[in-house]
Amino acid sequence: GENVEQHPSTLSVQEGDSAVIKCTYSDSASNYFPWYKQELGKGPQLIIDIRSNVGEKKDQRIAVTLNKTAKHFSLHITETQPEDSAVYFCAASSSNYKLTFGKGTLLTVNP
Amino acid sequence: NAGVTQTPKFRVLKTGQSMTLLCAQDMNHEYMYWYRQDPGMGLRLIHYSVGEGTTAKGEVPDGYNVSRLKKQNFLLGLESAAPSQTSVYFCASSTAGPNTEAFFGQGTRLTVV
Repeated sequence: GENVEQHPSTLSVQEGDSAVIKCTYSDSASNYFPWYKQELGKGPQLIIDIRSNVGEKKDQRIAVTLNKTAKHFSLHITETQPEDSAVYFCAASSSNYKLTFGKGTLLTVNP
Repeated sequence: NAGVTQTPKFRVLKTGQSMTLLCAQDMNHEYMYWYRQDPGMGLRLIHYSVGEGTTAKGEVPDGYNVSRLKKQNFLLGLESAAPSQTSVYFCASSTAGPNTEAFFGQGTRLTVV
C-alpha cells in the first residue's frame, strides 16, 4: 500500500518568514496530493491540492510543488502570519479509494 | 449549510461497553469515511463507503463496524470498546472519491477507561 512520509514533525518560524514542509510517497500510481490544515479542536480543512499532471500550483501565499520522478511534494507558505499556526497534513491518493495521510507537521509562527 | 456533523463530540466509555458514532452530511456526497487520529500517527482510515448501502474496510478496521443505510448518514459502531480505541474520530465526505476534496466533521473525542 501507499506510504507517505512527512518532515519535519515540528516547525517554528518568525512571522514574515517562509515555511516549507516536505512529503514523500511510495506508490508511483498516486495521482492526487492534497494538503490539509488542522486548527486546534477542529477537523482538517483542505488548503491546496495538486494532481500528477501539474508540477506547481499557487494560491496567494501558499504553493505546492510536485516531483513525480523523485516521488516527493512540498508545501510552501510565504510571509507567514500567526494565524498560519496549525498542524498541516500531506496526503496521497491513487485509484483504490484510499487517501493516505502523512503524520503531520505542527507549524508555530512566532509574532 | 452544516456540512459534516458528528455526534457526540465527547464520550467516555468503560471497557466492554458499546456505542455508535453518528456522521451526517448535507452536501449530497456519495463517498463517506471514518478516520481515527492518534498522536504522532496522523489520520488512519477505519472504514469507508462509496455509496448508500455499501461499506468497505480501510487501514485499521478491527473492532469497528459501519453502516450506510441512508446516503447522508454513516454510522461507526464499537461493539466492545477497548482502551486501544481511545482516540479522536473524524468523519469525512467527498463528491467523487479520494481524488476530490474531503470535508471533515469537527471530531469525536472518545476515551475508553
